[in-house]
Amino acid sequence: DGGITQSPKYLFRKEGQNVTLSCEQNLNHDAMYWYRQDPGQGLRLIYYSQIVNDFQKGDIAEGYSVSREKKESFPLTVTSAQKNPTAFYLCASSISTGGTDTQYFGPGTRLTVL
Amino acid sequence: AQTVTQSQPEMSVQEAETVTLSCTYDTSESNYYLFWYKQPPSRQMILVIRQEAYKQQNATENRFSVNFQKAAKSFSLKISDSQLGDTAMYFCAFINYNFNKFYFGSGTKLNVKP
Repeated sequence: DGGITQSPKYLFRKEGQNVTLSCEQNLNHDAMYWYRQDPGQGLRLIYYSQIVNDFQKGDIAEGYSVSREKKESFPLTVTSAQKNPTAFYLCASSISTGGTDTQYFGPGTRLTVL
Repeated sequence: AQTVTQSQPEMSVQEAETVTLSCTYDTSESNYYLFWYKQPPSRQMILVIRQEAYKQQNATENRFSVNFQKAAKSFSLKISDSQLGDTAMYFCAFINYNFNKFYFGSGTKLNVKP
């Protein structure tokens, strides 16, 4: 089945630690995205990538980093610089970053800082 | 700047009845796309319906239809014959034509009662 996978489903982090969230897609999409969702709010864009070895900051990139070494993978690292990292994180992909292309979402990762 | 407003934080409907969720948006763009996404308790974001702004005809997808009023910048979702599986958070979202960046509303929690 084609789709987007995220792991782990739940992640716990101690303060001061960096953690990496995995996102993999086998849809052959060029574009990938990371969103953050807080309770009672819609999604906010953290980073996006239009193509391998290229990525751009979204609206709330501070305290996060990404890499795009392979087309199918777009891992997100939550660094210790992110002051309030507890949230639900969603990865998405689309054929391209053109507005005509629908984004498809993964199942998400719930990150909790202890 | 683009904004998306969902003024109904929570709604309830009886099974088999019809419910309408409201969404308004603000943009200076003339070409864009509007979406409704469903997020059930599993937290998976599922595309419900999509509307191209240049199309006057309202989009329909089985029991789901929209009322798109471009001049009023309104994009409501009608769910007919509501089912228990429709219980979820519903997010309205806007995308520019040229760039696939979502602007999300804060969501409406829909409870379908038996």
